[in-house]
Amino acid sequence: DQQVKQNSPSLSVQEGRISILNCDYTNSMFDYFLWYKKYPAEGPTFLISISSIKDKNEDGRFTVFLNKSAKHLSLHIVPSQPGDSAVYFCAASNTGKLIFGQGTTLQVKP
Amino acid sequence: GEEVAQTPKHLVRGEGQKAKLYCAPIKGHSYVFWYQQVLKNEFKFLISFQNENVFDETGMPKERFSAKCLPNSPCSLEIQATKLEDSAVYFCASSPKGYALNSPLHFGNGTRLTVT
Repeated sequence: DQQVKQNSPSLSVQEGRISILNCDYTNSMFDYFLWYKKYPAEGPTFLISISSIKDKNEDGRFTVFLNKSAKHLSLHIVPSQPGDSAVYFCAASNTGKLIFGQGTTLQVKP
Repeated sequence: GEEVAQTPKHLVRGEGQKAKLYCAPIKGHSYVFWYQQVLKNEFKFLISFQNENVFDETGMPKERFSAKCLPNSPCSLEIQATKLEDSAVYFCASSPKGYALNSPLHFGNGTRLTVT
């Protein structure tokens, strides 16, 4: 039972444009959502999070949007930079367990 | 330290052998988590600790996997009698407050276990 899904395995974007990564979840009890970024041979690094009581959180070039009725969240990166090329994981939590999606590989082309 | 330190980076074991992985959490972080990533897919939660106490072990395969976090020692994850399917990257993470909104997990770089 995949509670957190990232349906796009990969995304390619031109430098300077917007990158939009999507994530869907099935458990309406999740109260906390996060995005992690992962480079090869490294552990995931925390990017941005959002509480279920909010619909938007912004941090510099990164904005996370949450649509609770659709059980959908998205990460917007603007402008995209070549250094943003990595695997992005969304994750969700409720009673103490962090559940990860399968990841989306973002490639930002110069 | 300021980073989660995992050792070794790589571990190769023959099927049936024991594997032991270590994790030193960030100083001051009282929560430690272990995750398993198979074939670059999603992370599977294994177990978490609050200090030396098991906090959540619902992801742990009971038969061959065990874990400890003892005072003044690195945390450890041990797999007895490894199987081919145990081949994965094992990530350790720590946080100061568990799964709180303002307390995200900090991950180590993982230990790649290869069972041959």
